[in-house]
Amino acid sequence: ETGVTQSPTHLIKTRGQQVTLRCSSQSGHNTVSWYQQALGQGPQFIFQYYREEENGRGNFPPRFSGLQFPNYSSELNVNALELDDSALYLCASSWGTSASTDTQYFGPGTRLTVL
Amino acid sequence: DQQVKQNSPSLSVQEGRISILNCDYTNSMFDYFLWYKKYPAEGPTFLISISSIKDKNEDGRFTVFLNKSAKHLSLHIVPSQPGDSAVYFCAALNSGGSNYKLTFGKGTLLTVNP
Repeated sequence: ETGVTQSPTHLIKTRGQQVTLRCSSQSGHNTVSWYQQALGQGPQFIFQYYREEENGRGNFPPRFSGLQFPNYSSELNVNALELDDSALYLCASSWGTSASTDTQYFGPGTRLTVL
Repeated sequence: DQQVKQNSPSLSVQEGRISILNCDYTNSMFDYFLWYKKYPAEGPTFLISISSIKDKNEDGRFTVFLNKSAKHLSLHIVPSQPGDSAVYFCAALNSGGSNYKLTFGKGTLLTVNP
């Protein structure tokens, strides 16, 4: 059973650009959640995908979008990057959608810097 | 606004002693609480959880206590070991509502000195 992996590890972009971050879920997991962790803050929920459909969303604008693929890999896309988007982006995979019954397994994150 | 608060950014304890990490929440709809541990360059790892129907849950050296009336929970680690040195996040959710969404505190950096 492989763990959750994310790529790239680090990324530097300039304001206004677009970025795609990738996540490979733990084998067999059908749910992926994405979180943004700004410096000195806890992870903040962006959205969750279940069987390729968005299942829930946090307080993030539409320029944050996602995709989940049949092989349970997923992407987080951010358009029109802003300086405040600089953060560690974490994905977490799980067997199901409920965070109380289905443990979320986190990847190591992608560190995004927007200049 | 911070619905989950960890007011101590850091805590330092001696090996073998007890570590107590605290967490407060403001949202009365939260009814399930989790603790995650995070080492540098790794993702958070689930540690222990508690439902609001309980006031204590124990797993080996780790015990979580919940005081619903005070909207307060704490994680006790006994005895503390140097390998416990990490950032500890408290998280909460509303299992009857947005049960997919974890709300995290800012974390507490625990350092266990040999």
